[in-house]
Amino acid sequence: EADIYQTPRYLVIGTGKKITLECSQTMGHDKMYWYQQDPGMELHLIHYSYGVNSTEKGDLSSESTVSRIRTEHFPLTLESARPSHTSQYLCASSELVTYEQYFGPGTRLTVT
Amino acid sequence: DQQVKQNSPSLSVQEGRISILNCDYTNSMFDYFLWYKKYPAEGPTFLISISSIKDKNEDGRFTVFLNKSAKHLSLHIVPSQPGDSAVYFCAAVNYGGSQGNLIFGKGTKLSVKP
Repeated sequence: EADIYQTPRYLVIGTGKKITLECSQTMGHDKMYWYQQDPGMELHLIHYSYGVNSTEKGDLSSESTVSRIRTEHFPLTLESARPSHTSQYLCASSELVTYEQYFGPGTRLTVT
Repeated sequence: DQQVKQNSPSLSVQEGRISILNCDYTNSMFDYFLWYKKYPAEGPTFLISISSIKDKNEDGRFTVFLNKSAKHLSLHIVPSQPGDSAVYFCAAVNYGGSQGNLIFGKGTKLSVKP
């Protein structure tokens, strides 16, 4: 059973606010990912990390930033939220040597 | 430009019958593929995968077929059950810009009717 958690599950926030989406995993996985998904669309990779102090940008450009200070924790931050950031954000993790990723339940963000 | 395409947004099947979900890809360098299932308000869960050295992989009711020459794969669910109703995503391992990461299709929503 995969153990990866995201908080909050739902967030409605006003334009200009700073937000942090939390993601934690208890599997000891080195690699972690953030995806953005709009309804009926594919998952787009926005950030990933190979391990502590490693962060990389994904295939989709994003105004968000990430950090990886601890293996189990991979938070995503938006300094100034805008309505265009409204989307579902999915966190995932995997071992370094496998392709199978384990996903959290997601955070549905609405920026008004 | 989409590299992984799932051209059917939805599929409806009767309980007990076969469900066939299709996926096409454009990059002939892709050599490992995965299928994920996603229920509403949950994250995707891994279902089954296939390497390009095989043309078929089976796990219980789920079988994935790969046709490399056609750049096509399909997921067969036999027999289909109402609990299989979910969105199914096809994904390919990307050896391009974000090495070893996944490129997803848009998904197919499967409805299995009792």
